[in-house]
Amino acid sequence: EAGVTQSPTHLIKTRGQQATLRCSPISGHTSVYWYQQALGLGLQFLLWYDEGEERNRGNFPPRFSGRQFPNYSSELNVNALELEDSALYLCASSWGRAGVMNTEAFFGQGTRLTVV
Amino acid sequence: ELKVEQNPLFLSMQEGKNYTIYCNYSTTSDRLYWYRQDPGKSLESLFVLLSNGAVKQEGRLMASLDTKARLSTLHITAAVHDLSATYFCAVGRGYGGATNKLIFGTGTLLAVQP
Repeated sequence: EAGVTQSPTHLIKTRGQQATLRCSPISGHTSVYWYQQALGLGLQFLLWYDEGEERNRGNFPPRFSGRQFPNYSSELNVNALELEDSALYLCASSWGRAGVMNTEAFFGQGTRLTVV
Repeated sequence: ELKVEQNPLFLSMQEGKNYTIYCNYSTTSDRLYWYRQDPGKSLESLFVLLSNGAVKQEGRLMASLDTKARLSTLHITAAVHDLSATYFCAVGRGYGGATNKLIFGTGTLLAVQP
């Protein structure tokens, strides 16, 4: 069974540009989470999507946005890139609100975003 | 606001020694997770602890949860070099009965020296 897959693996952008990161959850998972892991700042919760809707959002500016598609895959968009957006962006998936027995979140390999 | 604290932040161990990583969290939660991260890699799930008193063991690692004390521990027995990695605990905040948000601790960088 395929795990959580993210693309691209690496992404280099110039300050002010936009970046789009993609995530495919494990088959059957309806919830997708995005996390930012910046050097020295740990893992910070960004966004949670479940069944196509944004359910929760971390303390990030509005230029961080995303969406979830009908097949439960997700995109994270970062507009007006700043140097400090350089980080490893991790996507995770789990059973959504309907899933009580298995509440574990599984992570993808991440997208390394570098803003120059 | 839920806060999760781990200590120590850095742990240098000799092979064969035992040690414990501590994870404290600030508000009530009934889900505690431990993850391992190798340099440049993603997070690998180690343990899921869902109830007070839960104890799980896998190889040289054993995790426990005390929800009353809001404390989880990850105990390392007879460390080997392959255990060198960063270990994160995370606390789940439920919504509608499923994990919807994981708040991570700062991580503990474990270096096992030969």
